[in-house]
Amino acid sequence: DTAVSQTPKYLVTQMGNDKSIKCEQNLGHDTMYWYKQDSKKFLKIMFSYNNKELIINETVPNRFSPKSPDKAHLNLHINSLELGDSAVYFCASSTETDTQYFGPGTRLTVL
Amino acid sequence: QKEVEQDPGPLSVPEGAIVSLNCTYSNSAFQYFMWYRQYSRKGPELLMYTYSSGNKEDGRFTAQVDKSSKYISLFIRDSQPSDSATYLCAMWIPNAGKSTFGDGTTLTVKP
Repeated sequence: DTAVSQTPKYLVTQMGNDKSIKCEQNLGHDTMYWYKQDSKKFLKIMFSYNNKELIINETVPNRFSPKSPDKAHLNLHINSLELGDSAVYFCASSTETDTQYFGPGTRLTVL
Repeated sequence: QKEVEQDPGPLSVPEGAIVSLNCTYSNSAFQYFMWYRQYSRKGPELLMYTYSSGNKEDGRFTAQVDKSSKYISLFIRDSQPSDSATYLCAMWIPNAGKSTFGDGTTLTVKP
């Protein structure tokens, strides 16, 4: 009965590879997000989707491509991974007043 | 200048102390104010949520909003080691499409 789930939890990969992270929410929310949290714990928004439509793209390199097949899912595909992409990526969904429910995070390490 | 500035910490207090965590903001359009708690290696979780100026209490936690001074605080009474976490303030403008997060304050409560 997990509200927001992400897979995988850990991802270790080589520079230049392409990888995907999946996110699903069962809360019935219309809005979903991807965040990047670096080693200093700063939480930076990357993308926001509302009802499968892209609302916010916070100047994220176009190597990052979100995809929302339906409003319960928001996946993140990353091409040509770089060392600086190493971080924890959080998916979240939100209510109408933007109280957000976060997933457990995906810890990405690029070697 | 960032729209939301959070006291950087880290903060270390003895068990039982009263803790004050603070954020200031510059955009008077912010209307909803949230506090999230993030334990190590977990996703942020919503702790408190408030709309109006004044105090909102939930157990040992009190969220305070002063819109005239553009200042919000989270007070923790009788702090416990289990309160050790990073606390993030967040603010939302209706229809803005996203919340703006502070950079977080890491709290350690020592037994």
